[in-house]
Amino acid sequence: DTAVSQTPKYLVTQMGNDKSIKCEQNLGHDTMYWYKQDSKKFLKIMFSYNNKELIINETVPNRFSPKSPDKAHLNLHINSLELGDSAVYFCASSPLGGQYNEQFFGPGTRLTVL
Amino acid sequence: AQRVTQPEKLLSVFKGAPVELKCNYSYSGSPELFWYVQYSRQRLQLLLRHISRESIKGFTADLNKGETSFHLKKPFAQEEDSAMYYCALRVYNQGGKLIFGQGTELSVKP
Repeated sequence: DTAVSQTPKYLVTQMGNDKSIKCEQNLGHDTMYWYKQDSKKFLKIMFSYNNKELIINETVPNRFSPKSPDKAHLNLHINSLELGDSAVYFCASSPLGGQYNEQFFGPGTRLTVL
Repeated sequence: AQRVTQPEKLLSVFKGAPVELKCNYSYSGSPELFWYVQYSRQRLQLLLRHISRESIKGFTADLNKGETSFHLKKPFAQEEDSAMYYCALRVYNQGGKLIFGQGTELSVKP
């Protein structure tokens, strides 16, 4: 029944590794997002996809590559992980259209890079 | 520039006291503003949006375009209100992206 789910919930890895975080939503929404929450709890958007097309790409290192196989999934792949990538990553989704659409958030994935 | 500012990182009040979490924004267009809340170990969830002019869990927020503010208020705080609160500005025609403030941690003491 979970609306927006993410896997894994926790991810601990070594510097230099490549890892992926998966996100799925069963709300039938057209738009999905990735946000990063840093150690100071500051939330910042990274990417947004609408119907599998990239529509927002903030200033994010190109080691981060989102992939949307279908509109219900938006995965985040990170290459050559660095210490500064340690954060909580949130996936979110919202319906297309309308001015005041709520974004529904996943539970977050806590990434720790050692 | 589009920006949301929450000046208080931590706000600590006693149960039953009034609470006001400040939010100021900078945006050239007509703003869409939201308050999101993150309870301990839970996901971020929408608390209220300015267009609805509703009261959720006793919280209200009024958009003041003159002061470019969207402060969140509750007349009598409860311990279960303790959480992280984020003010967010939705940027229209940019895929609906939200710009968040830095967040304010509200701690309500018994």
